Amino acid sequence: GGIITQTPKFLIGQEGQKLTLKCQQNFNHDTMYWYRQDSGKGLRLIYYSITENDLQKGDLSEGYDASREKKSSFSLTVTSAQKNEMAVFLCASSRTVNTGQLYFGEGSKLTVL
Amino acid sequence: QQKVQQSPESLSVPEGGMASLNCTSSDRNFQYFWWYRQHSGEGPKALMSIFSDGDKKEGRFTAHLNKASLHVSLHIRDSQPSDSALYFCAASEGRGSALGRLHFGAGTQLIVIP
Repeated sequence: GGIITQTPKFLIGQEGQKLTLKCQQNFNHDTMYWYRQDSGKGLRLIYYSITENDLQKGDLSEGYDASREKKSSFSLTVTSAQKNEMAVFLCASSRTVNTGQLYFGEGSKLTVL
Repeated sequence: QQKVQQSPESLSVPEGGMASLNCTSSDRNFQYFWWYRQHSGEGPKALMSIFSDGDKKEGRFTAHLNKASLHVSLHIRDSQPSDSALYFCAASEGRGSALGRLHFGAGTQLIVIP
């Protein structure tokens, strides 16, 4: 088995601030994903990385940057936090991009004051 | 517009009862489906996939896919309080590297009443 670790678990920011979320996986999976979860809207894909050094935009990439530092880690940066924004950011990994079986972390909850 | 629609938004069933969840894709390219379950405070976990027409059974869970109508359902037999969770349907195009690029519905909140 393996585990996805997301840090921090809770993040409070100010409007306009740049905020970074980190994700580590020890599955030795090739592919990693960042999703945003809003109440009533399901999960929306922000960025994904097929392999180390690869970066692909999802449906919601505007306002975010991502970085795949090494095979086991994938970071997401909110480039300018929006006032009253509240969402959960979920990191996931899969053995390859050719499977829909994703393994998710517990999420990082963002609140912008 | 969301490409994967789920219904109902919320569902309550008695313990031991049958829960039926529905999902439809509005994009003809999305023919490969997954069901995920998310308990409160946790990340979603994959329950099962279905890629072919007909039924697929895994324990108390049965998924049914109709590719012509792009409708997939999930039936939970003998529902338990531990089944109370948010259930997501996810779809993908299924061509090579598109399999992992899932599009999620908004979810169905299932409550199993003891």
